[in-house]
Amino acid sequence: DTEVTQTPKHLVMGMTNKKSLKCEQHMGHRAMYWYKQKAKKPPELMFVYSYEKLSINESVPSRFSPECPNSSLLNLHLHALQPEDSALYLCASTYRDRGVNGELFFGEGSRLTVL
Amino acid sequence: DQQVKQNSPSLSVQEGRISILNCDYTNSMFDYFLWYKKYPAEGPTFLISISSIKDKNEDGRFTVFLNKSAKHLSLHIVPSQPGDSAVYFCAASAGVEGNKLVFGAGTILRVKS
Repeated sequence: DTEVTQTPKHLVMGMTNKKSLKCEQHMGHRAMYWYKQKAKKPPELMFVYSYEKLSINESVPSRFSPECPNSSLLNLHLHALQPEDSALYLCASTYRDRGVNGELFFGEGSRLTVL
Repeated sequence: DQQVKQNSPSLSVQEGRISILNCDYTNSMFDYFLWYKKYPAEGPTFLISISSIKDKNEDGRFTVFLNKSAKHLSLHIVPSQPGDSAVYFCAASAGVEGNKLVFGAGTILRVKS
């Protein structure tokens, strides 16, 4: 099983809503990532979890709140978002976040639209 | 300030010919480079990588060349096939930061049959 599964695939929310994006992997990876990708732009790193601890926060606004309940799951809680937060949110995982160079395994992404 | 640049937004190639996708970087701390391929409505998938101690890595139809002095790498696809049509992202990481990848903006490759 080499899959990273993201749900939902599409999400439309208002600026006052609270929603969550979910990511799951069963490859035994201990590093998990959230990336944000806007149209015609590269994926931009938001957060890295290493061994279920937040190791990198790329100065992301607090309206995005990550959570790693266990080594297989990664959530991104969304609250009071702005229309400019509309983007494709990609989850990725790899064996660990440092010491070994390797590829990230990406999910298909969650397409978020904020009205 | 983009540390990884793919200056060609798109490339069109005839089936059977060579596709060459280019990537430049500015951060001299980068020591590992990867190419990802992305189809519409899918996440990026890993294609090939190269460490800074090498200048070439080959995997089937795909070869990546690294020129450290020019801070330039390229991906060669020979022969190109219509199924190769996708967005190709160049990515880089610095050893001290492990797998924190920095991506280029991508190049859309269209292979015409």
